[in-house]
Amino acid sequence: GAVVSQHPSWVICKSGTSVKIECRSLDFQATTMFWYRQFPKQSLMLMATSNEGSKATYEQGVEKDKFLINHASLTLSTLTVTSAHPEDSSFYICSARGGTGGGQPQHFGDGTRLSIL
Amino acid sequence: TQLLEQSPQFLSIQEGENLTVYCNSSSVFSSLQWYRQEPGEGPVLLVTVVTGGEVKKLKRLTFQFGDARKDSSLHITAAQPGDTGLYLCAGVLTDKLIFGTGTRLQVFP
Repeated sequence: GAVVSQHPSWVICKSGTSVKIECRSLDFQATTMFWYRQFPKQSLMLMATSNEGSKATYEQGVEKDKFLINHASLTLSTLTVTSAHPEDSSFYICSARGGTGGGQPQHFGDGTRLSIL
Repeated sequence: TQLLEQSPQFLSIQEGENLTVYCNSSSVFSSLQWYRQEPGEGPVLLVTVVTGGEVKKLKRLTFQFGDARKDSSLHITAAQPGDTGLYLCAGVLTDKLIFGTGTRLQVFP
C-alpha cells in the first residue's frame, strides 16, 4: 500500500528556532500534499495544500510567512515553522495524494509532535 | 468554521456494548470517509462511502451515508477494547478533506 513517511516524529526546541518537517511519499508520486495541524483532543485542521512545483494554497487564518511550505518534487514536501513560539506547539500531520481530483485517497503520515519551550 | 459535527464527543463503554457515532453537516459532500486515529499516529482510513443511502459493513463496523449526502453514521457492534481511539469523519469537498470534530471512544474490558 501507499506509504507516507514524516520526519522527525518528535521535536523539542527553544522559542525562536525554525523547525523543518519533511513529508515523503515512499512508493508513489504525490502530485498533491496536505498539511494539517491537530491540537490535543481536537480534530485535524487543514493548514495548506501544496501541488508539486507551485506555491501552496493556505487556509484562511494560516500565516504563510510563518508556515513555509515547499513541494519541490513528487515525493517530498517540507513544512518549516519559522521563529517558532510555544503557541506553535502542536501535532502536525501531512498527507499525500497521487493523481488528480478530490476522489483520490489521501495517505497520511504518522505526524510530527512539535514542542516549543 | 467546522462544517462537520460529530456526536457524541466522548463515549466510554464496557466491552460488548453497541454504539453509534453520528456525523452531521449542512453541506453536501461528494463522498465521506471515516478514520480511526491512535494517539501519536496519523489517521487510518476505515471506509469511503460515495452514494447517498449507501451502507457498508466492515466486520463489526457498519457505516451509512445519508440519502442527501450530508450526514453519516458509524455503528459498532459488540465493542472491544481494541476499538478504543479517536474516530473522525471527513467529507470530500472539492479538492479537500474536511474533518469532523471527532469522537473519542474508550472501551473498557
